[in-house]
Amino acid sequence: AQSVTQLGSHVSVSEGALVLLRCNYSSSVPPYLFWYVQYPNQGLQLLLKYTTGATLVKGINGFEAEFKKSETSFHLTKPSAHMSDAAEYFCAVSDDQAGTALIFGKGTTLSVSS
Amino acid sequence: DSGVTQTPKHLITATGQRVTLRCSPRSGDLSVYWYQQSLDQGLQFLIQYYNGEERAKGNILERFSAQQFPDLHSELNLSSLELGDSALYFCASSVASGGSGELFFGEGSRLTVL
Repeated sequence: AQSVTQLGSHVSVSEGALVLLRCNYSSSVPPYLFWYVQYPNQGLQLLLKYTTGATLVKGINGFEAEFKKSETSFHLTKPSAHMSDAAEYFCAVSDDQAGTALIFGKGTTLSVSS
Repeated sequence: DSGVTQTPKHLITATGQRVTLRCSPRSGDLSVYWYQQSLDQGLQFLIQYYNGEERAKGNILERFSAQQFPDLHSELNLSSLELGDSALYFCASSVASGGSGELFFGEGSRLTVL
C-alpha cells in the first residue's frame, strides 16, 4: 500500500528565509507525487505535481520540488518565504496504474514571521 | 473558486442522527472523491465515483455510504452519527479516473456531532 510521511507537523520561518517542507513516500510502483496547499477556511489547491520526466518540478507561487527515487523523497522548497505562504501543506501520492485516489500525508503547517 | 460546490457548509447535529452532504463537481469532471479531514487522522480518502460507478474505496465506515447521480453530483450519507464523526468533509473532482490528474477541491462541509 502506498503511504506518505511528512516530517514536521509545524515549520516556522522568517519572511525571506528558505522554506523546506519534507515528504517521504512509500510505493511499490513508480509513484505520482503531489503537493497541495490549504489556506484557512478553504479547500486544497494543487501547488505542483510529478508524474514522469524531469525530476525537478516547478509549481505556482515560486515553489518547487525534486523527486529523488533513491531517497523516496519529494521535498518542497521555496527560496524566499512570503507572509502569504502561511498555510497548511499536504504531500500526496497516487499509483495511476491502479487508478487509485490520492493518499495524503498528515500535513505541515507553515508559519511565516516578519 | 475551484468550481466544486459543497452544501451545506456547516452542519450541527446530534449523535445517532443521519445527515447527507452534497457535492456538485466542476463542469465536465466525471470523477468525484470524498475525503474526511480531522485533527487526529488528517485527510482520509473515503470513496471515489467515476461516471456513476464506484471506482475506489478507502477508509469509509459501514455507517457511511455515497452515490453519484446521472447528472454527476454526488451525495455522502452519514448515519448513526458518533462524536468521532465530527470533521471537515471534502469533495473533490477530476476529469479522469486515474490518479495523475489534478483534483479540484470544494470548500468542505464542516460536521459537528454533539
